[in-house]
Amino acid sequence: GENVEQHPSTLSVQEGDSAVIKCTYSDSASNYFPWYKQELGKRPQLIIDIRSNVGEKKDQRIAVTLNKTAKHFSLHITETQPEDSAVYFCAASREGGSEKLVFGKGTKLTVNP
Amino acid sequence: DGGITQSPKYLFRKEGQNVTLSCEQNLNHDAMYWYRQDPGQGLRLIYYSQIVNDFQKGDIAEGYSVSREKKESFPLTVTSAQKNPTAFYLCASTQGLSSYGYTFGSGTRLTVV
Repeated sequence: GENVEQHPSTLSVQEGDSAVIKCTYSDSASNYFPWYKQELGKRPQLIIDIRSNVGEKKDQRIAVTLNKTAKHFSLHITETQPEDSAVYFCAASREGGSEKLVFGKGTKLTVNP
Repeated sequence: DGGITQSPKYLFRKEGQNVTLSCEQNLNHDAMYWYRQDPGQGLRLIYYSQIVNDFQKGDIAEGYSVSREKKESFPLTVTSAQKNPTAFYLCASTQGLSSYGYTFGSGTRLTVV
């Protein structure tokens, strides 16, 4: 089955800096890669996703890149703000069947004012 | 509240007791999932159900049981066989069998006293 590794487990940046979180996956057939943000005590919420037919997707200050050959994908947050502080989870799945998401272990991002 | 409701928000269990966590959705989603969240462990799948009256074990099903008698409801019972039940439990649902756009509930924090 699919295995998703996520690094780093914690990340601390200064406000205005960029943050990068990286994930690797094991199943070469996986083709859907979402990212979730979970604020303290709240539910995870989808912030961006990418499918394997594209290499990069942007949404304002966040972007995701995908390298299918190397089987890794990354979340990039630019111009970080204190409200970006949260735990971020990557996930992977194989669409087209009844595959469920497999999550990474999460990255706790702290943005210092 | 996002269309998927978990109750209670906090639950305390004595040693040897079974407890049931509720998950109800009004999104007309077909698939529902239960995850356990521990610090540094990410989201681990307990059980999932893709149609009524059918469910599958996830990665950590031992000590848990579920039922899916109605499309809207997917309750999780934490039995006395679960040796370390203290955790944050998240329910999620998706349309059809797709892993696109999981909607999560707000979670139940279970503590053994």
